[in-house]
Amino acid sequence: GAVVSQHPSRVICKSGTSVKIECRSLDFQATTMFWYRQFPKQSLMLMATSNEGSKATYEQGVEKDKFLINHASLTLSTLTVTSAHPEDSSFYICSAKISGAGGYNEQFFGPGTRLTVL
Amino acid sequence: QKEVEQDPGPLSVPEGAIVSLNCTYSNSAFQYFMWYRQYSRKGPELLMYTYSSGNKEDGRFTAQVDKSSKYISLFIRDSQPSDSATYLCAMKGAAGNKLTFGGGTRVLVKP
Repeated sequence: GAVVSQHPSRVICKSGTSVKIECRSLDFQATTMFWYRQFPKQSLMLMATSNEGSKATYEQGVEKDKFLINHASLTLSTLTVTSAHPEDSSFYICSAKISGAGGYNEQFFGPGTRLTVL
Repeated sequence: QKEVEQDPGPLSVPEGAIVSLNCTYSNSAFQYFMWYRQYSRKGPELLMYTYSSGNKEDGRFTAQVDKSSKYISLFIRDSQPSDSATYLCAMKGAAGNKLTFGGGTRVLVKP
């Protein structure tokens, strides 16, 4: 159980285009999902926290107008990279937390999406 | 200075050896300590988590937390080539959801 999927797994796009990445919790409901970014040989950096039915909370330094997050249902959050540029090329990973879990709330991670902007 | 420091490695060991990994941190508010395994081009997978100080064992894995020293460790016994991966430590405070990750240590277990 507790499987998180991401789609697409890999995307290559031209500079200036927008790219949408989907994150789905397959067998549980997730009130809260998280979007991370990981550069090669570096750790995960939290970009934003996505809450179902409300606006996302962005970490300092992350442009909310560039990285649009929509958490439309308890099993789906999307990240749209708008007007992508080569410096946006990275590995984007989402995670989801089981709704209503008390105490330590484990985050289950998706397999990641590799974005390459030409 | 990063909140969580982790030696990037690579750490190369022969099959069957004990792998010893560690992280140091500066934020005394961290209460939950996690270890994740990440294979190349995949998402992280939770291996262990510990609340506050102490030891925790699960199969071949042992996690230790020393809050007084702000130091956590992960030991992998009887290492296998399939243990070759990047190991990330992560930490979180008592409240909220934000995980703060270390940079990861790449481990290579040679047959």
